Amino acid sequence: AQTVTQSQPEMSVQEAETVTLSCTYDTSESDYYLFWYKQPPSRQMILVIRQEAYKQQNATENRFSVNFQKAAKSFSLKISDSQLGDAAMYFCAYRTLESYNTDKLIFGTGTRLQVFP
Amino acid sequence: SAVISQKPSRDICQRGTSLTIQCQVDSQVTMMFWYRQQPGQSLTLIATANQGSEATYESGFVIDKFPISRPNLTFSTLTVSNMSPEDSSIYLCSVGDLQGLSEAFFGQGTRLTVV
Repeated sequence: AQTVTQSQPEMSVQEAETVTLSCTYDTSESDYYLFWYKQPPSRQMILVIRQEAYKQQNATENRFSVNFQKAAKSFSLKISDSQLGDAAMYFCAYRTLESYNTDKLIFGTGTRLQVFP
Repeated sequence: SAVISQKPSRDICQRGTSLTIQCQVDSQVTMMFWYRQQPGQSLTLIATANQGSEATYESGFVIDKFPISRPNLTFSTLTVSNMSPEDSSIYLCSVGDLQGLSEAFFGQGTRLTVV
């Protein structure tokens, strides 16, 4: 079974600085998706960024980018020019592409990000 | 994308009672998912709800405790039965694989407190 591990329960960053959140996963599959979701106090889960495992190029969305190391099974999220609105829980998630139930997500335990002015 | 409306947004319930949570999607979807998020923890999948068939439950979750209905392709309900304080959690519904998109979309969650 696949597992997702986030080893940083909490992180903090100063406004305008850069922070990196770590995520590792375990799988025997070769094709899958990885995601970072943000959950602010409103509880709404918001997609930050996605990565297809077959793509070698790291995904980027504005200030958010990932460092995807497939062999190492690592998927870290870098937030550049941090803003106060980035403060939230961040969840790393895995989605298999190799079974019938392909929409199910497996989540890590989350990292709470604080942003200080 | 998808707009998912979840009701109620929060509730405080007496132990031993049941609560039904509704999830409405603005487009037709094959699968809907129900997750539980216990205080300060991650999301755990309760079950997958397909229209026209019984829901598929994950290990540790049973139909008697969490009955699910899926009457059509845009609506589902999750009932939390015979509640105890340990059921106090956020419950989220989710849909995925819309129009070939890979990500899942979530409702805003229901914060349940059992007293």
